[in-house]
Amino acid sequence: EIVMTQSPATLSVSLGEGATLSCRASQSSKSNLAWYQQKPGQAPRLLIYGASTRATGIPARFSGSGSGTEFTLTISSLQSEDFAVYFCQQYNNWPWTFGQGTKVEIK
Amino acid sequence: QVQLVQSGPEVKKPGASVKVSCKASASTFPPSGVNWVRQAPGQGLEWMGWISTYNGNTDYAPRFQGRVMMTTDTSTNTAYMELRSLTSDDTAVYYCASGATKAVFFDYWGQGALVTVSS
Repeated sequence: EIVMTQSPATLSVSLGEGATLSCRASQSSKSNLAWYQQKPGQAPRLLIYGASTRATGIPARFSGSGSGTEFTLTISSLQSEDFAVYFCQQYNNWPWTFGQGTKVEIK
Repeated sequence: QVQLVQSGPEVKKPGASVKVSCKASASTFPPSGVNWVRQAPGQGLEWMGWISTYNGNTDYAPRFQGRVMMTTDTSTNTAYMELRSLTSDDTAVYYCASGATKAVFFDYWGQGALVTVSS
């Protein structure tokens, strides 16, 4: 199965600053990659699919890029509600697999 | 808008089975079917499998094959996930999730059901 590796494990960012999260696949996932946001005690929320397409209702400050084995989620200007854990998921090769997450915390 | 409502927390002894439900409230499930994803405490997400709400076909992740069973009841718009031979490693929050258009990524999630396995 494809192993998804996210970095860094924790990212400390100030309000209004940008953040860049990375996700690497152990083999090509083409553009079949999704990003989710999860807040404590809540279910994940879909942010991005197809590596770069925002899901319904997701603000434009969230953007995704990459293909193959290297993917990036960029948050252009962090708002208070963006501090959370972010997971990537590949759906190119069965079984679908997730990364271990990047926690974005307030600096 | 699809809302997925799951059953409550469970406490089970090692070796027992657990059955978690997921009801599509005020709607039917999306045509993409229902996935089950679990999350151990403080850990990442793990995809367990998928069931078609159209014909009941299933697709289980290899590590759960033989130990998991997913079913649906179309008359009540409810999906079920049963996991057998529980160990402490199965302690986790179990989510049902569905895709709005595709089965492979997940727009809709249940609230999660905590399953604790402890002697």
